[in-house]
Amino acid sequence: QVQLVESGGGVVQPGRSLRLSCAASRFTFSNHGMHWVRQAPGKGLEWVAVIWYDGSNKYYADSVKGRFTISRDNSKNTLDLQMNSLRTEDSAVYYCARDRASTHIDHWGQGTLVIVSS
Amino acid sequence: EIVLTQSPATLSLSPGERATLSCRASQSVSSYLAWYQQKPGQAPRLLIYDASNRATGIPVRFSGSGSGTDFTLTISSLEPEDFAVYYCQQRINWPLTFGGGTKVEIK
Repeated sequence: QVQLVESGGGVVQPGRSLRLSCAASRFTFSNHGMHWVRQAPGKGLEWVAVIWYDGSNKYYADSVKGRFTISRDNSKNTLDLQMNSLRTEDSAVYYCARDRASTHIDHWGQGTLVIVSS
Repeated sequence: EIVLTQSPATLSLSPGERATLSCRASQSVSSYLAWYQQKPGQAPRLLIYDASNRATGIPVRFSGSGSGTDFTLTISSLEPEDFAVYYCQQRINWPLTFGGGTKVEIK
């Protein structure tokens, strides 16, 4: 079955950068768009970014636009999220997730925790 | 941005009872609405897509209905494992947005 494994989370100071990665397996990665979705502690789900199956299009939430960059490497089956100028409000569990039909998410990773704190 | 409003915020019910969860969109999302279930410490799980289609492996007690701006997730008879938080999500346009969630708790 579909496997998505996030890594790269940790504690970082405000203003610094962090790069998250997601290793995908057990499906044809290059056929699917991919998302990052986050969830602050005790809060609801917040969509962060999406990248098309071939990397040709990317969309971002306004809250991260200009600071975060989503990318993918179809030869390595990996999805990345480069997070710059981090703020305390970026603290959350970040989920890597597979897109289905460009309308919903059909598989989720287990998430990686990012804490932005001085 | 399309805002999704879920109600009620919390639903207190007993096993075997029927649960009815609502999701209202600030503008029409046609049928591009999905529902997810999330249990503590776990990732969300897709239940329903395109308003009324059950995802693979989802029990028949879960059903979705609605179109346009008003949608409903119904759990016909609550099982112990159904007590969780439920989110709706739209993607008729970007950004993709989620509702604030409904917690179904044991009464």
